[in-house]
Amino acid sequence: SQQGEEDPQALSIQEGENATMNCSYKTSINNLQWYRQNSGRGLVHLILIRSNEREKHSGRLRVTLDTSKKSSSLLITASRAADTASYFCATDEGGADGLTFGKGTHLIIQP
Amino acid sequence: DVKVTQSSRYLVKRTGEKVFLECVQDMDHENMFWYRQDPGLGLRLIYFSYDVKMKEKGDIPEGYSVSREKKERFSLILESASTNQTSMYLCASSPSFYTGGHEQYFGPGTRLTVT
Repeated sequence: SQQGEEDPQALSIQEGENATMNCSYKTSINNLQWYRQNSGRGLVHLILIRSNEREKHSGRLRVTLDTSKKSSSLLITASRAADTASYFCATDEGGADGLTFGKGTHLIIQP
Repeated sequence: DVKVTQSSRYLVKRTGEKVFLECVQDMDHENMFWYRQDPGLGLRLIYFSYDVKMKEKGDIPEGYSVSREKKERFSLILESASTNQTSMYLCASSPSFYTGGHEQYFGPGTRLTVT
C-alpha cells in the first residue's frame, strides 16, 4: 500500500513558536488523520479531516487539506515542551484495510 | 475511557522461540490491527481482522500469524522468532469500516528483542 510522506523528517523550534508539518499522499482518500507518538509509546489520534473539508481546528491544532495537490499540513500554534513527539499522517482510502501511515515528523520543542 | 492493552511492554526472546503478543480492547470494536514500527520505516501493517475468526494479510505478513477467537482479543504469533523481527509492535482497534471514517486507538506497544 502507498504511504503518505511527512516533511520535514525532523523539526526543532523554540517554545512558543509555531510548528508546521506537511504530508503528501498519492491516491484518492476518504479522510486524512494526524496522530502523535510520544517516545516509546503508542499513537494518539489528534484530528481527522474529511476529503470534502479544507480546514479544521482543534485547540492549538490547525489542519488543512488540499485534495488537488494531495497534501495536508498540521500547524501547532504556541508550541510547548510537551508537544515534543513524532507526528504521523495517515490516509483512509476507503478500502477494507484501514489506514496507511507515513514515516513521521519528529518535533523537538526547545525550552 | 477507551482502552487497548498489550500483554507486555518489553519482551526478550531467543531465536527460534514461538512468541505470542496479546492485545485486548474494551470498546467493542470490530476491527483490530497489528503493526510493527522500525526507525526510518514508519508503521507497517502486518495483519488485521474485521471480525471474529477473520483475518487479512497486511503489507508484511511473512513470519507472522494471528488469531482472533473473541471480539476483544487479537493475538500476533511469531512462529519461529528471528533477529530481524526485533521491533516495536503496536496493536490498534477501530469501529467497523462500514460506518466509515474512524480513527484507530492504539495500545502502548511491545518492544520485542530477539537475541
